[in-house]
Amino acid sequence: EDQVTQSPEALRLQEGESSSLNCSYTVSGLRGLFWYRQDPGKGPEFLFTLYSAGEEKEKERLKATLTKKESFLHITAPKPEDSATYLCAVHGTKTRNAGNMLTFGGGTRLMVKP
Amino acid sequence: NAGVTQTPKFRVLKTGQSMTLLCAQDMNHEYMYWYRQDPGMGLRLIHYSVGEGTTAKGEVPDGYNVSRLKKQNFLLGLESAAPSQTSVYFCASSTRTSGAPDTQYFGPGTRLTVL
Repeated sequence: EDQVTQSPEALRLQEGESSSLNCSYTVSGLRGLFWYRQDPGKGPEFLFTLYSAGEEKEKERLKATLTKKESFLHITAPKPEDSATYLCAVHGTKTRNAGNMLTFGGGTRLMVKP
Repeated sequence: NAGVTQTPKFRVLKTGQSMTLLCAQDMNHEYMYWYRQDPGMGLRLIHYSVGEGTTAKGEVPDGYNVSRLKKQNFLLGLESAAPSQTSVYFCASSTRTSGAPDTQYFGPGTRLTVL
């Protein structure tokens, strides 16, 4: 069974204070790891997909990296508008023929104070 | 493009009542999904569809039914609502590819309270 664990559950940062969010996963044959951002009262918004260990992707102040066991979402010099819940999800080989199902982690709630 | 839309946005039901949540997408996606999101539980898949006229069970299907009569619509039904079904429901859709998994795009959600 695919499993995803995100840590910490909540993270408070001062504006400009860089940090990282962790996503640890167990999956049979990783086909893709997804990062989403979710604002309160809204649906998840796609950020990145990583496909293989060693891959990195960047978008503004966010950088996602992937190893064989975990992914990190690095936030450099965050701003208050980066405050949101960040979700990690995996897609494995076993769910390839099951509608490409995703298994989600519980999320990390990020709060950036000015 | 509106993307993925959901109706209604909010609903309050009494135990035993029934209702249908509607999801619509205008991206011509083959796959559609219904999730529920509860505090501390993350997003859990209820049912999904890989094409018009097909549906399948996800992780937590009990108490729900779905239908996909048209490619662009995916309906989630609660026949006899229970307080345990109080949650936020999200619909998502994605294309079908033979290679790398495609991105799922989410709707804005429906907040359901069952009293």
